[in-house]
Amino acid sequence: KNEVEQSPQNLTAQEGEFITINCSYSVGISALHWLQQHPGGGIVSLFMLSSGKKKHGRLIATINIQEKHSSLHITASHPRDSAVYICAVPPNRDDKIIFGKGTRLHILP
Amino acid sequence: EPEVTQTPSHQVTQMGQEVILRCVPISNHLYFYWYRQILGQKVEFLVSFYNNEISEKSEIFDDQFSVERPDGSNFTLKIRSTKLEDSAMYFCASSEPGPSYGYTFGSGTRLTVV
Repeated sequence: KNEVEQSPQNLTAQEGEFITINCSYSVGISALHWLQQHPGGGIVSLFMLSSGKKKHGRLIATINIQEKHSSLHITASHPRDSAVYICAVPPNRDDKIIFGKGTRLHILP
Repeated sequence: EPEVTQTPSHQVTQMGQEVILRCVPISNHLYFYWYRQILGQKVEFLVSFYNNEISEKSEIFDDQFSVERPDGSNFTLKIRSTKLEDSAMYFCASSEPGPSYGYTFGSGTRLTVV
């Protein structure tokens, strides 16, 4: 059983659309990470959150600890947002993080 | 903004050869990690390192793998005798104490074993 599930796996949208990517996890966690991976392969940390909501520019991340669910939203999406978005969690108090399979987002101009 | 630096960005090696992947973590971070991503698959944990010793390792991290922090700044991953299935992108990461603090990833080393 996957400890981190993301949906959708693939998402294509028009520029300007509001995007939502979901993440559910089955382990107890202290924090959840949202990461971005561009076609070149590099991974960038977008958010690390343990409760509530965080916002950075057009990106918003929310988490519901009781429901073990997090969402990443992108407002006014742009083709440069095209990337793979990955949810990752540290199980219990381990220092490693477990990655989801990622959501491949493609924003059309 | 502080970065995690990985070298080389791409390495091609013959099967059976030893490779060393190098990483310079962020200087005030205490936890160091190696992850790998086989093409088309998700990122997998290999090993974590804290206080000059391995704190956790995955099943992937067998006797062919080793890590070292030889000089207090570099953090290296060695694969003793590479196999074709070791071909992957290898990411180094570092964090402040514990996973509740943010991670910073390096840009990765693409290892191709031929």
